[in-house]
Parts: sequence; C-alpha cells; structure tokens
Amino acid sequence: AQSVTQPDIHITVSEGASLELRCNYSYGATPYLFWYVQSPGQGLQLLLKYFSGDTLVQGIKGFEAEFKRSQSSFNLRKPSVHWSDAAEYFCAVVPFSGGYNKLIFGAGTRLAVHP
Amino acid sequence: DTGVSQDPRHKITKRGQNVTFRCDPISEHNRLYWYRQTLGQGPEFLTYFQNEAQLEKSRLLSDRFSAERPKGSFSTLEIQRTEQGDSAMYLCASSPKGGQKNEQYFGPGTRLTVT
Repeated sequence: AQSVTQPDIHITVSEGASLELRCNYSYGATPYLFWYVQSPGQGLQLLLKYFSGDTLVQGIKGFEAEFKRSQSSFNLRKPSVHWSDAAEYFCAVVPFSGGYNKLIFGAGTRLAVHP
Repeated sequence: DTGVSQDPRHKITKRGQNVTFRCDPISEHNRLYWYRQTLGQGPEFLTYFQNEAQLEKSRLLSDRFSAERPKGSFSTLEIQRTEQGDSAMYLCASSPKGGQKNEQYFGPGTRLTVT
C-alpha cells in the first residue's frame, strides 16, 4: 500500500547534538517530498522540499534533507540542535497518482531537546 | 499578507450538535484544502477546492461533513450531528495557482472537542 513511514515516534537529543529524523515512502514513482514542523498551538510550517535535481536540499532553520532513491528515503538532518527545535516533525509526499497536490503525511516524530 | 486564518481556534460541543468552521486563505490563492489531524497522527486529507469548485473528497468525509467555498475565497466546513470520534484538529491550507510543486500554507487549525 502507498504510505509514508516515520519509524521514530519520539526522539530526545541534547542541545548542540546532531539530529537525524527518518522518513520512508512507498510509492511507485518518486513523489514530491516535504518536511513540515509543528510547534504546540502553531500551524504546520514548511522546512524544505524536494522535487528533482540535487538530492541534498537545504531548508530553513539550518535543516537539510537527503533524498535516496535506492532506499526510498528522505531523512531530515541538523548538525546542531537548539532548544527551540523541540516540536513535532512531519514528512509528507505529493504522489503523482494522487492529483491536485494533496499532501500525504507520516505519523510524525516528536523531538525533545535536553539542555 | 496575514497568512491563512481559521475561526474559531477552539470549539467544544455536545454530541449531536452541528458545528461550522471557517477558513480564510491567503488572498489570491485559488487552491484550498481541509485536513483533519487526530492525536498522535499526521494530518489526513479531507477535501480540496480550486476556486469555488470542490474537486476531490476523501472517503473520510462522511455524509455528515460538508464543505463549501461559495465565492472562491473563504471556505466553511460543517459537521452535522457531531460524534465523539469527530474530536480532532481541523486544518486548512491554501496554495497558489499552478502545479503540484506549490507549497501549501497552513492555518493554525480549529481544535474540536465533542463531549
């Protein structure tokens, strides 16, 4: 079945440590790929997106993500986490077969940051 | 530009009552989406408008749900005879005219609690 999987429900890191959040998708063709962040009481904010070309994409707030076709993955990374990065992170895709660019989201990864 | 706005931010209602939510997209965005997010899950697509036309509805949108966008600007989502299972965050997003690559801008959401 077509799906977006975020294997880690919760992740805790220390401030200043590096971060990697995993995302795998299951679609026949490479969909458009997105990472969103949701802070408590806030709407979803786009961090970065991948359509084609360079497989390493840069986003806002110092985040980057790497698309790996062979692994059907689009993992989000940050070299040094700040306490303000504590939030929930969602990987999302726009599948070509879906039409009208509706987003299909993973279940999210909740990030906690220890001082 | 003030972004996507939603009203109300919170709604508590008793089972069996009808509720209506409003979404005001970013001006000149002709595409509007509704999503539902339950606790611990990513948002799920409900329906999509292009201008005033409702072009896609998810099977999640039962007969008790109806959405409108009468003049191609703001949209309303009505739930009739609410059930406890309707308790969720209802998110609205908009995007400008164009293809699947367009970023969707999300509002802060309306949190519905059915008692």
